[in-house]
Amino acid sequence: TQLLEQSPQFLSIQEGENLTVYCNSSSVFSSLQWYRQEPGEGPVLLVTVVTGGEVKKLKRLTFQFGDARKDSSLHITAAQTGDTGLYLCAGAGSSASKIIFGSGTRLSIRP
Amino acid sequence: GAGVSQSPSNKVTEKGKDVELRCDPISGHTALYWYRQRLGQGLEFLIYFQGNSAPDKSGLPSDRFSAERTGESVSTLTIQRTQQEDSAVYLCASSLVARAQYFGAGTRLSVL
Repeated sequence: TQLLEQSPQFLSIQEGENLTVYCNSSSVFSSLQWYRQEPGEGPVLLVTVVTGGEVKKLKRLTFQFGDARKDSSLHITAAQTGDTGLYLCAGAGSSASKIIFGSGTRLSIRP
Repeated sequence: GAGVSQSPSNKVTEKGKDVELRCDPISGHTALYWYRQRLGQGLEFLIYFQGNSAPDKSGLPSDRFSAERTGESVSTLTIQRTQQEDSAVYLCASSLVARAQYFGAGTRLSVL
């Protein structure tokens, strides 16, 4: 069974600080996505990484796919209150039949 | 439509009743997914459609749950004889490829 573990589960930091969220698995994924979900809404896709070792930047967010395509990290620089939300990673296998979601990291940025 | 639309947005039902949840995917998206999200938790995969067929039904938690899709468009998730443990947000997503799913806002189901 493929599993994606996210850590930490909860994170509360002060505005302006940096943070890193991790997504780990023992399985290899053909691609991995990061989503952010706000209360009462569905998850919104932030980025897709495909190649082992790939790094993508989205403003203050930096996403990295592990060399072996089993893990990923999300680093936020100078966090803002608008970054608050549930961050989910999701892995796709070679077929489109099932996307495995991690349990999420609930991020709270204090003003 | 511009995005994935789900209806109703909220549903309150009594234990033992049947409910139908609807998902209108983005036009042209061939893949459609249903997930369940319990309060404060991540997403639990339920079922996946490619076109009108469902090659993967492995996530359906019991035979009370069923889903269909017609015209490679609208999908309906039906829960029969609802139980209190069915209370959750049911999310639908559509995609052209597995790498990028677009989600609706979900249906919040409360079983009393």
